[in-house]
Amino acid sequence: DAGITQSPRHKVTETGTPVTLRCHQTENHRYMYWYRQDPGHGLRLIHYSYGVKDTDKGEVSDGYSVSRSKTEDFLLTLESATSSQTSVYFCAISGSSGREGSYEQYFGPGTRLTVT
Amino acid sequence: ELKVEQNPLFLSMQEGKNYTIYCNYSTTSDRLYWYRQDPGKSLESLFVLLSNGAVKQEGRLMASLDTKARLSTLHITAAVHDLSATYFCAVQIQGGKLIFGQGTELSVKP
Repeated sequence: DAGITQSPRHKVTETGTPVTLRCHQTENHRYMYWYRQDPGHGLRLIHYSYGVKDTDKGEVSDGYSVSRSKTEDFLLTLESATSSQTSVYFCAISGSSGREGSYEQYFGPGTRLTVT
Repeated sequence: ELKVEQNPLFLSMQEGKNYTIYCNYSTTSDRLYWYRQDPGKSLESLFVLLSNGAVKQEGRLMASLDTKARLSTLHITAAVHDLSATYFCAVQIQGGKLIFGQGTELSVKP
């Protein structure tokens, strides 16, 4: 399994509080991604990173920010959590070592976030 | 707007039967991935399809890609209970980003 960890694994927080989720990898992959998973929507990309300090928005980026100061860590921050951000958050990584040279994405274990 | 649509979204099968899950997408891409997710777990990569006509098989599952029709299929042969899970297709676009289908929840019953 790809070395990806997420912390915390579960969190309950109140509306309006800031929340930071951490993704840590030991694979030295260049690309890192944050997704959210909600019933009926599959996974939707929030933000991604193509290198240290290089990030860009995905399809559902409103209300979220990210930072990547080291290759191994990618942080997702909810500046002021809302109930609509209750979801399961997955981090993924990819690099040139995927099968057949693809940039296959490998997923972390997920963080279940509940905003009350 | 780029769309990736799977059907069916729910599939209840009997053991021993065959069935196909379809994944249609609306943009030009020649890279498509299939993932499996068990309840409460993360996503596991099943297949990597990188060109038109690509076909991959693993056990009772076979995936194919037709980039001209913008269609991928996941065929299940002689289903067994252990295949019960949710299956996602994902299309790769520029920057290596993935756009996922809604998922197909498969239940295999004895």
